[in-house]
Amino acid sequence: DIQMTQSPSSLSASVGDRVTITCRASQSISSYLNWYQQKPGKAPKLLIYAASSLQSGVPSRFSGSGSGTDFTLTISSLQPEDFATYYCQQSYSTPPSTFGPGTKVDIK
Amino acid sequence: EVQLVESGGGLVKPGGSLRLSCAASGFTFSSYSMNWVRQAPGKGLEWVSSISSSSSYIYYADSVKGRFTISRDNAKNSLYLQMNSLRAEDTAVYYCARDRADYDYVWGSYRYQFDYWGQGTLVTVSS
Repeated sequence: DIQMTQSPSSLSASVGDRVTITCRASQSISSYLNWYQQKPGKAPKLLIYAASSLQSGVPSRFSGSGSGTDFTLTISSLQPEDFATYYCQQSYSTPPSTFGPGTKVDIK
Repeated sequence: EVQLVESGGGLVKPGGSLRLSCAASGFTFSSYSMNWVRQAPGKGLEWVSSISSSSSYIYYADSVKGRFTISRDNAKNSLYLQMNSLRAEDTAVYYCARDRADYDYVWGSYRYQFDYWGQGTLVTVSS
C-alpha cells in the first residue's frame, strides 16, 4: 500500500499569512493527489484534485502543486474560515485509497 | 443539489452488528461509485469500502474485510454498510462519499476523488 505523510502536523498562522502544507507519497503517484479541508464536527470538503485542479466553488487563494512523490497545498492569504485540518489523499493505487495524517492549521 | 444523508449509527456492544444507510439525492446515483470513510475520535480519515455503480466491483480495507459488507440499491438511491463482529476500534464517525472521476489525458486513465460527503453517523462500540 502507498503511504502518505504530511508536514507539518500542525501550524499556527495569522490572518493574511501565506501557508504551505507538504504531502509526500511513499512511491510515485504521478498527479493522482487530492486535498481536503475538514472543520471540527463537519465532513471533509474537496479542495484540490489531480494535484493542482481547483474544485468548483473553492476560493482561488487555494492552490496545489507537485507530481511524483512531493506535493504542496498553498493558501496565499489565510482567511478566518480557513482554520481547519487539511488532508491529502492518493488515488493512484487503489484500493486502498490512503489519506495523509492531516495538518491542523490554527490561529496564532 | 447533491445530498448524502447517513443514518443507522448508535451504541453497540463488542461483537454486535449495525447497518448503516446513506440516502442519496440530487444526482444520478446509479452512475457513480460510492465509498464509506470513517474517522475515529480525534483521528484522521480512513477509507473503509467502495462499490462500483453496478455493484460489480467491491473493495474493503484490510481492517474490516470479512466483517463488513457494502451494498447498494440503485432503485432506492441508497448505499449500505452492514457491520458485523464489531470491535472497540471500529468506533468512529462513518461518512459516505461519492466517487468522481476525471480523465488523465497524459496517462490515458481516470483519477478519482471524493467530491461529495454526507454529514456522518457515529458508531460507538462499547460494553
